[in-house]
Amino acid sequence: GEDVEQSLFLSVREGDSSVINCTYTDSSSTYLYWYKQEPGAGLQLLTYIFSNMDMKQDQRLTVLLNKKDKHLSLRIADTQTGDSAIYFCAENQGYKLSFGAGTTVTVRA
Amino acid sequence: SQTIHQWPATLVQPVGSPLSLECTVEGTSNPNLYWYRQAAGRGLQLLFYSVGIGQISSEVPQNLSASRPQDRQFILSSKKLLLSDSGFYLCAWSVHGGETQYFGPGTRLLVL
Repeated sequence: GEDVEQSLFLSVREGDSSVINCTYTDSSSTYLYWYKQEPGAGLQLLTYIFSNMDMKQDQRLTVLLNKKDKHLSLRIADTQTGDSAIYFCAENQGYKLSFGAGTTVTVRA
Repeated sequence: SQTIHQWPATLVQPVGSPLSLECTVEGTSNPNLYWYRQAAGRGLQLLFYSVGIGQISSEVPQNLSASRPQDRQFILSSKKLLLSDSGFYLCAWSVHGGETQYFGPGTRLLVL
């Protein structure tokens, strides 16, 4: 199975907050990442958090890290139609990244 | 600033034909380079990575090979494509010794 697990789908109303959850397995990971993939495109690095932090905020994005439970979440405030995409969680294992299967976020009017 | 290019963007090839996908990075030297495959509805599978010219590590036994003839060029090849090679191929780079990876636009390959 996947080392990194995410729920596959999330539907959210425009203007609401989205929360995408992820669990990982490697407690030695130094960085945890969120990437965004729009249809037909490559992966765009959204944000990352160093493992000794428990929160990072960047404009509408808030990353929460619970290292004890190996749980990572991404909150998108005021979700817009342009936020519709697949969101991947990833952990580093040395200089390799291990990805989850991705959460497809659909924003409805 | 750094940019990463992949070509072609889309490719349709018959079973048994050869393959060559190219990835180049600009604006940095001695990067780590990576090839991933993304099957429909799945996450990313790391295929190869390279820490320098001529240094290739394979993650998964398969019908594909990789080469790095120049510092900022990474090529994915096959002598004979299989139907199961269809997918979205992504190249990525990171600073040498760094963890954060930056992705190219991808090549969509359809093998018929």
